[in-house]
Amino acid sequence: QLVLTQSPSASASLGASVKLTCTLSSGHSNYAIAWHQQQPERGPRYLLKLNTDGSHIKGDGIPDRFSGSSSGAERYLTISSLQSEDEADYYCQTWGTGVVFGGGTKLTVL
Amino acid sequence: EVQLLESGGGLVQPGGSLRLSCAASGFTFNNYVMNWVRQAPGKRLEWVSGISGSGGSTYYADSVKGRFTISRDNSKNTLYLQMNSLRSEDTALYYCARDRRVDCWGQGTLVTVSS
Repeated sequence: QLVLTQSPSASASLGASVKLTCTLSSGHSNYAIAWHQQQPERGPRYLLKLNTDGSHIKGDGIPDRFSGSSSGAERYLTISSLQSEDEADYYCQTWGTGVVFGGGTKLTVL
Repeated sequence: EVQLLESGGGLVQPGGSLRLSCAASGFTFNNYVMNWVRQAPGKRLEWVSGISGSGGSTYYADSVKGRFTISRDNSKNTLYLQMNSLRSEDTALYYCARDRRVDCWGQGTLVTVSS
C-alpha cells in the first residue's frame, strides 16, 4: 500500500534552515512526490514536484529559499533563511491510482 | 492565470445530497486529471476523488465510494462532485485540485452535515 510518512512537528529559528522529511512506503521508493504548504487559516499552496533523482520543479512564485532533494525512499523539503510566514503545515503528496497525502508536518519558526 | 473556483457548499442534513462545482480557467481543462480533496476541521488533507481528462476514468477513496460521483463537462471547463447519503464525517472544506501532482488548488467550499 502506498503510504507517505511525515513527522508531526518540527521547529527552527528565524533565519535558520530546516529540512523536512517524507518517507515513501516499502516498494515505492521510485515515486515522485509534491510538497504543499498550508499557512494558518489558508488553503494549501503547491510548492514543488520532486523526482527520484532529486530534481525538482517549483510552482510559480515560490521563492528560491525552498528546495527539494531525494535519497532512496526519503524525500526532503529544505527551507533556508526561515521567515515568520514559513510557519505552516507542510504536506507531501504522491499519486498512484489515486492521490495520497502524508499526515503533514507542523513547522514552528522560533 | 490558472484559476479554480469552487461553489455549491452549504449546510445539509445527514442523509441529504449536495452538488459541488469547480469552474476552471487559464489552462486547457481537458488536458488534465482533476481531483476533489477535502479537509475536516483541524485534520489532514484527504483525497476524495479523481477523474481523467476525457472523463472516461474515475477514481474514489474508499470512504466515499458508492455515495459520491465525480464528473466533468469539458465544454464548460467545469468539474463536479455529486454527494449523496451525506454523513457527519463528510463535514469538511472541499477543494478542487488540478493534476495528479496537485499543482493548483481552489480556495475551497465548506460542506457541513448536521441536523
